Amino acid sequence: ETGVTQTPRHLVMGMTNKKSLKCEQHLGHNAMYWYKQSAKKPLELMFVYNFKEQTENNSVPSRFSPECPNSSHLFLHLHTLQPEDSALYLCASSRGLSTSTDTQYFGPGTRLTVL
Amino acid sequence: AQSVSQHNHHVILSEAASLELGCNYSYGGTVNLFWYVQYPGQHLQLLLKYFSGDPLVKGIKGFEAEFIKSKFSFNLRKPSVQWSDTAEYFCAVNPLAGNNRKLIWGLGTSLAVNP
Repeated sequence: ETGVTQTPRHLVMGMTNKKSLKCEQHLGHNAMYWYKQSAKKPLELMFVYNFKEQTENNSVPSRFSPECPNSSHLFLHLHTLQPEDSALYLCASSRGLSTSTDTQYFGPGTRLTVL
Repeated sequence: AQSVSQHNHHVILSEAASLELGCNYSYGGTVNLFWYVQYPGQHLQLLLKYFSGDPLVKGIKGFEAEFIKSKFSFNLRKPSVQWSDTAEYFCAVNPLAGNNRKLIWGLGTSLAVNP
């Protein structure tokens, strides 16, 4: 248990559905991240928020829409996804954005399958 | 493009064997370097990191890694593995160019330790 929780743990959705992934951290961190982990590909950073403000959007398609209402919660809203979006979506948090001093703590992930 | 290469995708060892997992990166400047581990059914967690100082870094559970700048390498080692070290190991690099705080990840190495 890292203090970062994600719900749901598994999600199956059709291409026309709208769903949301939720991440919550209980570590008092200020930065939160969404990553995508696909089979046979490296972990890819999608979005970064720091103090609720988006600081990084790694050229993610608009069918993925993040929301960070406060420093403890991060959402990823999904709509009209494609089968190739099936992957494990990981949330992480850190105290700040410095990789020298601020370790990223990961949640267990949401396994998403798009039919 | 910047990349991280983990040469061994699958490693199988017997208990008490020595372990070395390779990690090379393609970036000529200053970097922060990381090894993360994911035990079966658990979240990604930091094993060790290097950002300055002694290039031989010691982490949790008896792991260590050596940064060799001339070889662009950050190999992970453990002198004597245990069954509980069975996990997936990920190398990650943060090229410290400008304001870049993005981690670039390797594909991971799956380690199975036979009792």
